[in-house]
Amino acid sequence: AQKVTQAQTEISVVEKEDVTLDCVYETRDTTYYLFWYKQPPSGELVFLIRRNSFDEQNEISGRYSWNFQKSTSSFNFTITASQVVDSAVYFCALTTAEADSGYSTLTFGKGTMLLVSP
Amino acid sequence: DSGVTQTPKHLITATGQRVTLRCSPRSGDLSVYWYQQSLDQGLQFLIQYYNGEERAKGNILERFSAQQFPDLHSELNLSSLELGDSALYFCASSAWRRTDTQYFGPGTRLTVL
Repeated sequence: AQKVTQAQTEISVVEKEDVTLDCVYETRDTTYYLFWYKQPPSGELVFLIRRNSFDEQNEISGRYSWNFQKSTSSFNFTITASQVVDSAVYFCALTTAEADSGYSTLTFGKGTMLLVSP
Repeated sequence: DSGVTQTPKHLITATGQRVTLRCSPRSGDLSVYWYQQSLDQGLQFLIQYYNGEERAKGNILERFSAQQFPDLHSELNLSSLELGDSALYFCASSAWRRTDTQYFGPGTRLTVL
């Protein structure tokens, strides 16, 4: 079975602060994919990033960066110089590529609500 | 805009009723997924269809059913509705591999009174 844990239920920061959202995952599969999604107050789920288990290179996209560490089964997400528009619930998710082990589905963490105040 | 469309955006109905939620996947995507998001259960996978066939089932109640049509749009049918079925229902689509990125629609907010 696979599991995603986002221990931080809610984080509040002031604009321009850096913030890191934690994600810890569990899977017995050697090939898997990790995702981050953003859910703003409007409700839609917006895809942010996908990373496979063989690529531990960190990624940066503008103010967003992701740190993937297989040794600690973590895939953390950092927002640099946060803005009010970053206020949202952020979900980490996991799916595996185990061949014909059944049908792989996306397992979500419970989400971290980020509140950025001006 | 993810390219996935869902209708209606909001739905208010009474207990015992039946409703149908509709989803159109992104152009070229063959897989459609349905999820339920509620405050107590979080995001729960319900069911997946691939090119018209059911591929995977999650925590979907027997009162719920879905199908994917030849034009690849999908419908989720919810019957004998209960108060606890009030939730945000998402449809997502992906290309064809099980590990392809799922892109989500805007959701349908169902309120059962």
